[in-house]
Amino acid sequence: QKEVEQDPGPLSVPEGAIVSLNCTYSNSAFQYFMWYRQYSRKGPELLMYTYSSGNKEDGRFTAQVDKSSKYISLFIRDSQPSDSATYLCAIGPQAGTALIFGKGTTLSVSS
Amino acid sequence: GAVVSQHPSWVICKSGTSVKIECRSLDFQATTMFWYRQFPKQSLMLMATSNEGSKATYEQGVEKDKFLINHASLTLSTLTVTSAHPEDSSFYICSASGVFSGNTIYFGEGSWLTVV
Repeated sequence: QKEVEQDPGPLSVPEGAIVSLNCTYSNSAFQYFMWYRQYSRKGPELLMYTYSSGNKEDGRFTAQVDKSSKYISLFIRDSQPSDSATYLCAIGPQAGTALIFGKGTTLSVSS
Repeated sequence: GAVVSQHPSWVICKSGTSVKIECRSLDFQATTMFWYRQFPKQSLMLMATSNEGSKATYEQGVEKDKFLINHASLTLSTLTVTSAHPEDSSFYICSASGVFSGNTIYFGEGSWLTVV
């Protein structure tokens, strides 16, 4: 089993839709959970990070962590065409250490 | 958020030559820098971890003599691809973290290397 599993998609939604992106992980020692957005031919851009189970909200984005199920999610409300990108989950044992990335989910939001 | 700058963004080199990529943390001291490689439609694969002033730790399968990493200061790390071959063509991305970035990891914009 890979350490981090993420459905690569592609995922296509109409503008305004709610998007759900998910990852599962295998190692319960992971404590640090991050979501990055990567536009084509660009470096990843940090969207959100969290240390604990529960929800964290930032504008249209909500990150959710369920440590008991080893499952993390990113929700995007009122999706916009500018949200079209690849979204990568990244997980690490603690802050500042090397991250393990999912394969990324490619999202396309049509207007 | 913190800023990490990579240079050059694009580089083409001849097979057999060496090329250096720089990674700078512009507004914080990066005690740790990470180098990743990303092939098209693939995820980021960690190549090595470097801590300022010490030798880099390479991931299994990454040749340390081919991918030379230097982290001589708290704001600069370099990756040198030696004797480059076409199969080394890839997107190389650095990331950095430090106490004053809250130990959050920030990425550079990446460098596209094409070996011809």
